[in-house]
Amino acid sequence: DAKTTQPNSMESNEEEPVHLPCNHSTISGTDYIHWYRQLPSQGPEYVIHGLTSNVNNRMASLAIAEDRKSSTLILHRATLRDAAVYYCILGGVPRLTFGEGTQLTVNP
Amino acid sequence: DTEVTQTPKHLVMGMTNKKSLKCEQHMGHRAMYWYKQKAKKPPELMFVYSYEKLSINESVPSRFSPECPNSSLLNLHLHALQPEDSALYLCASSQVVRDRGSSEQFFGPGTRLTVL
Repeated sequence: DAKTTQPNSMESNEEEPVHLPCNHSTISGTDYIHWYRQLPSQGPEYVIHGLTSNVNNRMASLAIAEDRKSSTLILHRATLRDAAVYYCILGGVPRLTFGEGTQLTVNP
Repeated sequence: DTEVTQTPKHLVMGMTNKKSLKCEQHMGHRAMYWYKQKAKKPPELMFVYSYEKLSINESVPSRFSPECPNSSLLNLHLHALQPEDSALYLCASSQVVRDRGSSEQFFGPGTRLTVL
């Protein structure tokens, strides 16, 4: 399976945008890019996914590089409730292989 | 209803015990999953059921025995576990997709298992 690389941790201030990067230089043409997040003491939660084009939903936006070797999850206005581990995952259901993720801290 | 429920929330068992973890969803999903998550690590896929049949076993030891009695229920039977099996066990469900497409996986809150 293709591998993802994410920063171990990032910090943001409340109500500011957050850009969470993910590198995936070995992505295959059929790999979807998924983002899940895991809040403390909870199971992972779907955030967004895409294949080639940028995607928006109520939670976030996903910006995918033209060569698809990297992507960025954008939280438009971080809140304290967005503090979580964010996982960038390649592939498709059923097999989601989680990487180490980015621990996002949101400061009041 | 977009909820996956798991029982029990916490379980402590000895190495000679037999116990079961239960998972339930009523979203009409025909794919269900078990993941194992050690502390401060990402979830690792253990088993996948598709249309109530085991489709993926990620080389999990036989002391873990999954069962999917119907389209809403998923069990994980535990027997003769080791202390290193202590972890958070997560259940998830999704629609069945063809090829390597994509469908959102819905996760339960997990069962925190401690093996003494």
